Amino acid sequence: DTEVTQTPKHLVMGMTNKKSLKCEQHMGHRAMYWYKQKAKKPPELMFVYSYEKLSINESVPSRFSPECPNSSLLNLHLHALQPEDSALYLCASRPLPGQGNQPQHFGDGTRLSIL
Amino acid sequence: KNQVEQSPQSLIILEGKNCTLQCNYTVSPFSNLRWYKQDTGRGPVSLTIMTFSENTKSNGRYTATLDADTKQSSLHITASQLSDSASYICVVSPRVGNYQLIWGAGTKLIIKP
Repeated sequence: DTEVTQTPKHLVMGMTNKKSLKCEQHMGHRAMYWYKQKAKKPPELMFVYSYEKLSINESVPSRFSPECPNSSLLNLHLHALQPEDSALYLCASRPLPGQGNQPQHFGDGTRLSIL
Repeated sequence: KNQVEQSPQSLIILEGKNCTLQCNYTVSPFSNLRWYKQDTGRGPVSLTIMTFSENTKSNGRYTATLDADTKQSSLHITASQLSDSASYICVVSPRVGNYQLIWGAGTKLIIKP
């Protein structure tokens, strides 16, 4: 079991649907991340939240909308996705840089399929 | 251009044997280098993290080395087990406080009984 919990594990949705991915951690980490990972490729950074504020948006299309309601939760709202958006979506967290060279802790991801 | 290159792309070894995975990077400035293990369908799990002043770090049967002068790192796995079958990814952080990570493409390791 990982310390970062992502739900759902699998999601199949149509291009007109609206859905949300959820991520939760209780390690007191104040930086949280969303990554997209295609098969046989390394993860690609999408968003970074620092102290519940969006600090980095890697030019992600607006059909992906992140939200950080509190320091433990991170959501990714999905709307009007395209088939090429099918991928494994990973959430990660870490202590902020002032706490040393700490690695990111990843969840097991949500496997998203767009029909 | 900041890059991380890993070799081999894939590797098959017999259970119980040792193996070494390679990572070369051209990232500057350099803060730290991480090795992650990613099982199929799971998120990456951190194995080791080394700053430029560290030459080696171990985590059980995993030993990572770092040569900051030649910008090379290796991950040595001792007495491999079937559960070691996974992708091993080398990741370099350009500077402390920078959220950006430079990811290698990974080495796919398969352990056969």
